[in-house]
Amino acid sequence: DAKTTQPTSMDCAEGRAANLPCNHSTISGNEYVYWYRQIHSQGPQYIIHGLKNNETNEMASLIITEDRKSSTLILPHATLRDTAVYYCIVRVNYGGATNKLIFGTGTLLAVQP
Amino acid sequence: GAGVSQSPRYKVTKRGQDVTLRCDPISSHATLYWYQQALGQGPEFLTYFNYEAQPDKSGLPSDRFSAERPEGSISTLTIQRTEQRDSAMYRCASSLAPLAINEQFFGPGTRLTVL
Repeated sequence: DAKTTQPTSMDCAEGRAANLPCNHSTISGNEYVYWYRQIHSQGPQYIIHGLKNNETNEMASLIITEDRKSSTLILPHATLRDTAVYYCIVRVNYGGATNKLIFGTGTLLAVQP
Repeated sequence: GAGVSQSPRYKVTKRGQDVTLRCDPISSHATLYWYQQALGQGPEFLTYFNYEAQPDKSGLPSDRFSAERPEGSISTLTIQRTEQRDSAMYRCASSLAPLAINEQFFGPGTRLTVL
């Protein structure tokens, strides 16, 4: 699985959009970009995933650059409850591959009141 | 069940003792994973099961670690002759099917402390 690079920490004001970047310059054509988050002491929680098109769900939007070497997770209106460590993970997405998640160190997002 | 459950939530043991941790996945989920998470780090993969089969044990740190899922539902992770470096949060996750596209649902974890 390709390696990802994320900033160690970021701040965001409550109610504003939080934009979390991720670099994955060695991503291969069959690898997807996944985002999980981990709120203090809880288990990781799935947020969103995508291959090359932008994706949106009820939690967030995922913007993947055309060359797929980087992506941005967008929380459109951050709340205090969004304070968490956010993990960007790239992995293959078909049967037969080991399904393990390689988490890295993630980005600690601190939403400020 | 409603979610992934793990027991015990906290376990304190003395060095050299054996411990067994339990994971009860979401009832319809075929795939079950074990991760180890040190303080301040992201979870690290230990092993996973598709039903009873255990295709990947590559993350188990030593032969003191073993896992079972004999009936394809509940799983146990056993650490023999525990060492202080085994102290960590142990997290279990399950997913609907073996395909990587399926999101993994995590349990609350078991905090293991080896004195």
